[in-house]
Amino acid sequence: ETGVTQSPTHLIKTRGQQVTLRCSSQSGHNTVSWYQQALGQGPQFIFQYYREEENGRGNFPPRFSGLQFPNYSSELNVNALELDDSALYLCASSAALGRSTEAFFGQGTRLTVV
Amino acid sequence: GQQLNQSPQSMFIQEGEDVSMNCTSSSIFNTWLWYKQDPGEGPVLLIALYKAGELTSNGRLTAQFGITRKDSFLNISASIPSDVGIYFCAGILAGGTSYGKLTFGQGTILTVHP
Repeated sequence: ETGVTQSPTHLIKTRGQQVTLRCSSQSGHNTVSWYQQALGQGPQFIFQYYREEENGRGNFPPRFSGLQFPNYSSELNVNALELDDSALYLCASSAALGRSTEAFFGQGTRLTVV
Repeated sequence: GQQLNQSPQSMFIQEGEDVSMNCTSSSIFNTWLWYKQDPGEGPVLLIALYKAGELTSNGRLTAQFGITRKDSFLNISASIPSDVGIYFCAGILAGGTSYGKLTFGQGTILTVHP
């Protein structure tokens, strides 16, 4: 067990709705990254947060947004959900910016858009 | 976006056999990583490689960072049933704008028959 917890574990939403996913980072970790993993694929980088600011973004549209709080926990928000947004969303935390090799992943949130 | 080409896509082997999988890219990576993902879980780091030519072992697992910095392989010796899962390679691109972003391969599904 990594100490990174995500909630909820499963979620079903309707196309066009909005969703918020949550991540509690491991104690002492100040950097959080979010990944989208479609079925049968490897995780794809969405963005990274360091000290409450976005620090790097992958090839995802602006309707994917995030927040990091003073306690370093984080949220991923997705607006105007599309069917293709159905995926496992993974959060990873690490102790410092750039130390991604020491990142620990949560168990993920399985989002289904119908 | 940037992709890592991971092969094979799947492997069916007998318990006790050795396994080999690899990743290649057209781009140069500073770091190569190998992860294992079990159903319903996030990826767990197995081995991290930081220098071209580096050969690192973790129990029955051995991985190498290719000399060209564009490839890596993972070997598993004397496979056991608990080795079943999906194995991913991942890397951090060379260059100052990678933000510690991990780029993942498509995964290798390993099945071990007792």
